[in-house]
Amino acid sequence: EVQLMQSGAEVKNPGESLKISCKGSGYSFNTYWIAWVRQMPGKGLEWMGIIFPGDSDTTYSPSFERQVTISVDKSISIAYLQWSRLRASDTAIYYCARLKATRVGTNAYYFHGMDLWGQGTTVTVSS
Amino acid sequence: DIQLTQSPSFLSASVGDRVTISCRASQGISSSLAWYQQKSGKVPDLLIYAASTLQSGVPSRFSGSGSGTEFTLTINSLQPEDFATYYCQQLKTYPQTFGQGTKVEIK
Repeated sequence: EVQLMQSGAEVKNPGESLKISCKGSGYSFNTYWIAWVRQMPGKGLEWMGIIFPGDSDTTYSPSFERQVTISVDKSISIAYLQWSRLRASDTAIYYCARLKATRVGTNAYYFHGMDLWGQGTTVTVSS
Repeated sequence: DIQLTQSPSFLSASVGDRVTISCRASQGISSSLAWYQQKSGKVPDLLIYAASTLQSGVPSRFSGSGSGTEFTLTINSLQPEDFATYYCQQLKTYPQTFGQGTKVEIK
């Protein structure tokens, strides 16, 4: 089955670190971009950043750069999202999603959309 | 960043209605636009990509149109399972921003 399986819910104190994961299976993980999306309670979707597992090429939204780190271990088909110091405002559901894309050049892609989503990881940061 | 503005933010409709949701981009994005449906407490689902291409498995009552800065999602003959929040997303440039969402509720 083609799926993205995310790690379980986390409850953390402010200032703690955290790394959540997203494991792909049933498809060629290294050849599809993976994005991370935040959804704060009762709010909309926010694009955080994107990584290409094949070469770890990563781009962050300016809103999240320096707040989180996106990484990947392609040998085990897992993408990660991590924080070094959590804040209460990081409380949210975090989704990973696979991007449907067409390669249009040596290093250029035409992105179509997020066609496969993980089930979401709920992160609660509270003292 | 490219801003996407959806209108309306909220709409109330009846089963069988034709519903139209608009998404306006702050700058031209060609046809690099996707639409998603998110039901309450569920994961978003891709409905439309490249502005007008229906994702596999999505009912044909959903359609998308537009290019440049103006886009539309249309749902013909709204069904009970279509009551949800809909988001547009531009994939032309980083960051690949989302619209604020349109909640479709039962009248």
